[in-house]
Amino acid sequence: AQKVTQAQTEISVVEKEDVTLDCVYETRDTTYYLFWYKQPPSGELVFLIRRNSFDEQNEISGRYSWNFQKSTSSFNFTITASQVVDSAVYFCALKESGGYNKLIFGAGTRLAVHP
Amino acid sequence: GAVVSQHPSWVICKSGTSVKIECRSLDFQATTMFWYRQFPKQSLMLMATSNEGSKATYEQGVEKDKFLINHASLTLSTLTVTSAHPEDSSFYICRGQGIADTQYFGPGTRLTVL
Repeated sequence: AQKVTQAQTEISVVEKEDVTLDCVYETRDTTYYLFWYKQPPSGELVFLIRRNSFDEQNEISGRYSWNFQKSTSSFNFTITASQVVDSAVYFCALKESGGYNKLIFGAGTRLAVHP
Repeated sequence: GAVVSQHPSWVICKSGTSVKIECRSLDFQATTMFWYRQFPKQSLMLMATSNEGSKATYEQGVEKDKFLINHASLTLSTLTVTSAHPEDSSFYICRGQGIADTQYFGPGTRLTVL
Protein backbone atom coordinates (compact mmCIF):
# COMPACT_ATOMS: atom_id res chain seq x y z
CA ALA A 1 0.00 0.00 0.00
CA GLN A 2 1.10 3.51 -0.62
CA LYS A 3 1.91 5.86 2.22
CA VAL A 4 3.38 9.32 2.67
CA THR A 5 5.02 10.42 5.90
CA GLN A 6 5.70 14.01 6.83
CA ALA A 7 7.23 13.69 10.25
CA GLN A 8 7.47 17.42 10.92
CA THR A 9 4.11 18.59 12.21
CA GLU A 10 5.06 22.23 12.68
CA ILE A 11 8.11 24.29 11.88
CA SER A 12 8.73 27.82 13.02
CA VAL A 13 11.48 29.95 11.50
CA VAL A 14 12.47 33.56 11.33
CA GLU A 15 12.32 35.33 8.02
CA LYS A 16 15.32 34.79 5.73
CA GLU A 17 16.15 31.45 7.27
CA ASP A 18 16.33 28.40 5.03
CA VAL A 19 13.92 25.60 5.89
CA THR A 20 13.61 22.01 4.67
CA LEU A 21 10.37 20.06 4.78
CA ASP A 22 10.81 16.32 4.80
CA CYS A 23 8.74 13.76 2.91
CA VAL A 24 9.21 10.00 2.93
CA TYR A 25 7.02 7.73 0.86
CA GLU A 26 6.23 4.05 0.47
CA THR A 27 5.03 2.36 -2.68
CA ARG A 28 5.35 -0.98 -4.42
CA ASP A 29 4.96 0.56 -7.85
CA THR A 30 7.99 1.23 -10.00
CA THR A 31 6.19 4.08 -11.73
CA TYR A 32 4.73 6.78 -9.53
CA TYR A 33 4.46 10.52 -9.13
CA LEU A 34 5.29 12.77 -6.23
CA PHE A 35 3.80 16.17 -5.57
CA TRP A 36 4.11 19.10 -3.24
CA TYR A 37 1.18 21.41 -2.54
CA LYS A 38 0.91 24.57 -0.49
CA GLN A 39 -2.28 25.29 1.43
CA PRO A 40 -2.53 28.87 2.67
CA PRO A 41 -5.16 29.88 5.25
CA SER A 42 -7.72 30.33 2.49
CA GLY A 43 -7.70 26.56 2.06
CA GLU A 44 -7.17 26.43 -1.68
CA LEU A 45 -4.39 24.05 -2.65
CA VAL A 46 -1.57 25.55 -4.66
CA PHE A 47 0.35 23.14 -6.87
CA LEU A 48 4.12 23.46 -6.48
CA ILE A 49 5.74 20.56 -8.26
CA ARG A 50 5.20 17.13 -9.75
CA ARG A 51 8.02 14.63 -10.20
CA ASN A 52 7.83 11.18 -11.78
CA SER A 53 9.75 8.24 -10.42
CA PHE A 54 12.14 8.07 -13.37
CA ASP A 55 13.36 11.60 -12.99
CA GLU A 56 15.68 11.96 -10.04
CA GLN A 57 17.04 15.30 -11.05
CA ASN A 58 16.78 17.90 -8.38
CA GLU A 59 14.79 20.95 -9.29
CA ILE A 60 15.06 24.59 -8.40
CA SER A 61 12.37 27.18 -8.92
CA GLY A 62 13.26 30.55 -7.49
CA ARG A 63 13.58 30.15 -3.73
CA TYR A 64 12.15 26.63 -3.88
CA SER A 65 14.16 23.48 -4.46
CA TRP A 66 13.37 19.80 -4.29
CA ASN A 67 15.64 16.85 -3.59
CA PHE A 68 14.36 13.51 -4.82
CA GLN A 69 16.24 10.42 -3.67
CA LYS A 70 14.80 7.04 -4.60
CA SER A 71 17.41 5.23 -2.51
CA THR A 72 15.88 6.67 0.64
CA SER A 73 12.34 7.12 -0.75
CA SER A 74 12.45 10.79 0.07
CA PHE A 75 11.30 13.92 -1.70
CA ASN A 76 12.34 16.85 0.43
CA PHE A 77 11.43 20.47 -0.16
CA THR A 78 13.64 23.41 0.74
CA ILE A 79 12.67 27.06 0.90
CA THR A 80 15.63 29.38 0.78
CA ALA A 81 15.48 32.78 2.46
CA SER A 82 11.99 32.18 3.76
CA GLN A 83 9.42 34.96 3.77
CA VAL A 84 6.30 35.58 5.83
CA VAL A 85 4.18 34.79 2.76
CA ASP A 86 5.57 31.26 2.84
CA SER A 87 3.58 30.59 6.00
CA ALA A 88 1.16 27.81 5.13
CA VAL A 89 0.61 24.09 5.42
CA TYR A 90 2.64 22.10 2.93
CA PHE A 91 1.55 18.67 1.75
CA CYS A 92 3.56 16.00 0.04
CA ALA A 93 1.51 13.54 -2.02
CA LEU A 94 2.01 10.32 -3.96
CA LYS A 95 0.16 8.94 -6.94
CA GLU A 96 0.75 5.47 -8.32
CA SER A 97 0.55 4.99 -12.05
CA GLY A 98 -2.10 2.32 -12.14
CA GLY A 99 -5.44 1.75 -10.57
CA TYR A 100 -7.64 4.75 -10.04
CA ASN A 101 -4.89 7.35 -9.94
CA LYS A 102 -5.55 8.09 -6.31
CA LEU A 103 -3.54 10.91 -4.81
CA ILE A 104 -2.51 10.08 -1.25
CA PHE A 105 -1.45 12.92 1.02
CA GLY A 106 0.94 13.11 3.90
CA ALA A 107 -0.21 14.65 7.16
CA GLY A 108 1.20 18.02 6.19
CA THR A 109 3.76 20.34 7.75
CA ARG A 110 2.61 23.67 9.11
CA LEU A 111 5.27 26.30 8.43
CA ALA A 112 5.24 29.57 10.32
CA VAL A 113 7.65 32.25 9.16
CA HIS A 114 8.01 35.10 11.61
CA PRO A 115 9.26 38.57 10.74
CA GLY B 1 -5.08 27.39 -17.38
CA ALA B 2 -7.68 24.87 -16.46
CA VAL B 3 -9.87 25.72 -13.53
CA VAL B 4 -12.10 23.69 -11.31
CA SER B 5 -14.78 25.61 -9.48
CA GLN B 6 -16.77 24.61 -6.44
CA HIS B 7 -20.08 25.97 -5.29
CA PRO B 8 -20.83 27.05 -2.70
CA SER B 9 -17.51 28.12 -1.23
CA TRP B 10 -19.04 27.89 2.22
CA VAL B 11 -22.35 26.78 3.65
CA ILE B 12 -23.94 26.70 7.08
CA CYS B 13 -26.88 24.39 7.61
CA LYS B 14 -28.99 22.93 10.37
CA SER B 15 -28.52 19.40 11.56
CA GLY B 16 -30.66 16.95 9.61
CA THR B 17 -30.70 18.88 6.36
CA SER B 18 -28.99 17.87 3.12
CA VAL B 19 -26.36 19.92 1.39
CA LYS B 20 -25.25 19.69 -2.23
CA ILE B 21 -21.78 20.74 -3.33
CA GLU B 22 -21.05 21.23 -7.01
CA CYS B 23 -17.70 20.79 -8.67
CA ARG B 24 -17.28 22.00 -12.22
CA SER B 25 -14.35 21.70 -14.58
CA LEU B 26 -14.39 24.91 -16.58
CA ASP B 27 -12.12 24.26 -19.54
CA PHE B 28 -11.28 20.59 -19.53
CA GLN B 29 -13.20 17.36 -19.39
CA ALA B 30 -12.89 15.62 -16.07
CA THR B 31 -13.25 11.95 -16.80
CA THR B 32 -12.58 11.18 -13.16
CA MET B 33 -13.53 13.20 -10.13
CA PHE B 34 -12.11 12.66 -6.67
CA TRP B 35 -13.71 13.99 -3.49
CA TYR B 36 -11.66 14.73 -0.41
CA ARG B 37 -12.56 15.77 3.10
CA GLN B 38 -10.28 17.74 5.38
CA PHE B 39 -10.97 18.24 9.08
CA PRO B 40 -9.31 21.17 10.86
CA LYS B 41 -5.56 20.81 11.14
CA GLN B 42 -5.64 17.46 9.41
CA SER B 43 -4.69 16.15 6.01
CA LEU B 44 -6.90 15.57 3.00
CA MET B 45 -8.60 12.20 3.11
CA LEU B 46 -9.96 10.67 -0.07
CA MET B 47 -13.65 9.93 0.26
CA ALA B 48 -14.58 8.59 -3.14
CA THR B 49 -13.65 8.34 -6.80
CA SER B 50 -16.15 8.68 -9.60
CA ASN B 51 -15.86 8.18 -13.33
CA GLU B 52 -18.28 9.98 -15.60
CA GLY B 53 -21.42 7.98 -16.05
CA SER B 54 -20.50 5.35 -13.48
CA LYS B 55 -21.21 4.76 -9.82
CA ALA B 56 -18.69 6.18 -7.41
CA THR B 57 -16.18 4.01 -5.59
CA TYR B 58 -16.03 4.86 -1.91
CA GLU B 59 -13.07 4.53 0.40
CA GLN B 60 -13.32 2.29 3.42
CA GLY B 61 -15.27 3.88 6.22
CA VAL B 62 -17.12 6.38 4.02
CA GLU B 63 -20.89 5.85 4.01
CA LYS B 64 -22.10 5.80 0.43
CA ASP B 65 -25.70 6.41 1.46
CA LYS B 66 -24.71 9.50 3.37
CA PHE B 67 -22.36 11.02 0.83
CA LEU B 68 -24.08 10.77 -2.53
CA ILE B 69 -21.88 11.43 -5.51
CA ASN B 70 -23.14 12.08 -9.00
CA HIS B 71 -20.89 12.50 -12.03
CA ALA B 72 -23.37 12.77 -14.82
CA SER B 73 -21.23 14.79 -17.21
CA LEU B 74 -17.58 15.43 -17.98
CA THR B 75 -17.79 18.90 -16.48
CA LEU B 76 -19.95 18.44 -13.40
CA SER B 77 -19.82 16.29 -10.32
CA THR B 78 -21.89 16.77 -7.19
CA LEU B 79 -21.48 15.63 -3.62
CA THR B 80 -24.62 15.60 -1.48
CA VAL B 81 -24.24 15.27 2.26
CA THR B 82 -27.55 13.80 3.39
CA SER B 83 -28.96 14.36 6.86
CA ALA B 84 -25.91 16.34 7.84
CA HIS B 85 -24.74 16.33 11.45
CA PRO B 86 -22.17 18.50 13.24
CA GLU B 87 -19.51 15.80 12.82
CA ASP B 88 -19.85 16.26 9.04
CA SER B 89 -18.56 19.81 9.37
CA SER B 90 -15.42 19.86 7.29
CA PHE B 91 -13.67 21.27 4.24
CA TYR B 92 -14.66 19.36 1.11
CA ILE B 93 -12.39 19.50 -1.93
CA CYS B 94 -12.83 18.00 -5.36
CA ARG B 95 -10.10 17.09 -7.83
CA GLY B 96 -10.83 16.68 -11.49
CA GLN B 97 -8.66 14.51 -13.70
CA GLY B 98 -8.78 14.62 -17.46
CA ILE B 99 -6.82 13.18 -20.33
CA ALA B 100 -3.02 13.16 -20.34
CA ASP B 101 -3.17 12.96 -16.58
CA THR B 102 -4.16 16.60 -16.19
CA GLN B 103 -5.52 17.19 -12.75
CA TYR B 104 -6.78 20.22 -10.89
CA PHE B 105 -8.18 20.85 -7.45
CA GLY B 106 -11.24 22.90 -6.71
CA PRO B 107 -10.96 25.72 -4.18
CA GLY B 108 -12.93 23.79 -1.57
CA THR B 109 -16.26 24.13 0.24
CA ARG B 110 -16.39 24.76 3.95
CA LEU B 111 -19.42 23.06 5.49
CA THR B 112 -20.59 23.93 8.98
CA VAL B 113 -23.47 21.97 10.45
CA LEU B 114 -25.14 23.53 13.47
